[in-house]
Amino acid sequence: GQQLNQSPQSMFIQEGEDVSMNCTSSSIFNTWLWYKQDPGEGPVLLIALYKAGELTSNGRLTAQFGITRKDSFLNISASIPSDVGIYFCAGRPVGGADGLTFGKGTHLIIQP
Amino acid sequence: DTGVSQDPRHKITKRGQNVTFRCDPISEHNRLYWYRQTLGQGPEFLTYFQNEAQLEKSRLLSDRFSAERPKGSFSTLEIQRTEQGDSAMYLCASSLQDLGPQHFGDGTRLSIL
Repeated sequence: GQQLNQSPQSMFIQEGEDVSMNCTSSSIFNTWLWYKQDPGEGPVLLIALYKAGELTSNGRLTAQFGITRKDSFLNISASIPSDVGIYFCAGRPVGGADGLTFGKGTHLIIQP
Repeated sequence: DTGVSQDPRHKITKRGQNVTFRCDPISEHNRLYWYRQTLGQGPEFLTYFQNEAQLEKSRLLSDRFSAERPKGSFSTLEIQRTEQGDSAMYLCASSLQDLGPQHFGDGTRLSIL
């Protein structure tokens, strides 16, 4: 089945630093979404992208739908302690199922 | 704010028993999805409904799994004759329209003894 390669697997950063993570696929996607998941909870939607080249911000978060339609990135500026968690990219491949395909997640750890 | 609601939050059962989970989607969302998530992995798609019609099932959904959405509102996911490998978090999501963003509940964590 479809697979998304999400990197990095984990990040150890200092509070206040900027963060960047990305997701790539071997096939073309028509939707990219970014979620954050805290322990024991479900994923929470951060940003949804629907057009190639689209750049969308949500507060300190910015995500882009790659122009090749095979990748997306998420940036977090000026990280704060509550940014800790696991970030997942997810998407729908063109011609694929309506269900989302998820990456394996990026575990963000912030050192005070 | 009534988001996606799942019940129970935790279920512990012995191998071989049947279990049923319930999902209440966001009101007026006509699409409802079930996913399974194991430790250290992202959620994996199982099946989805548009209103009461089950439109797609992934290959992960074995014959022991069945899902229903009888009135196009809440949905149930039943696992028969549970196995150790069924231990996972079962997540439900809903969306308002085709290709719309999916909003997740907090899941039901299933542990098989």
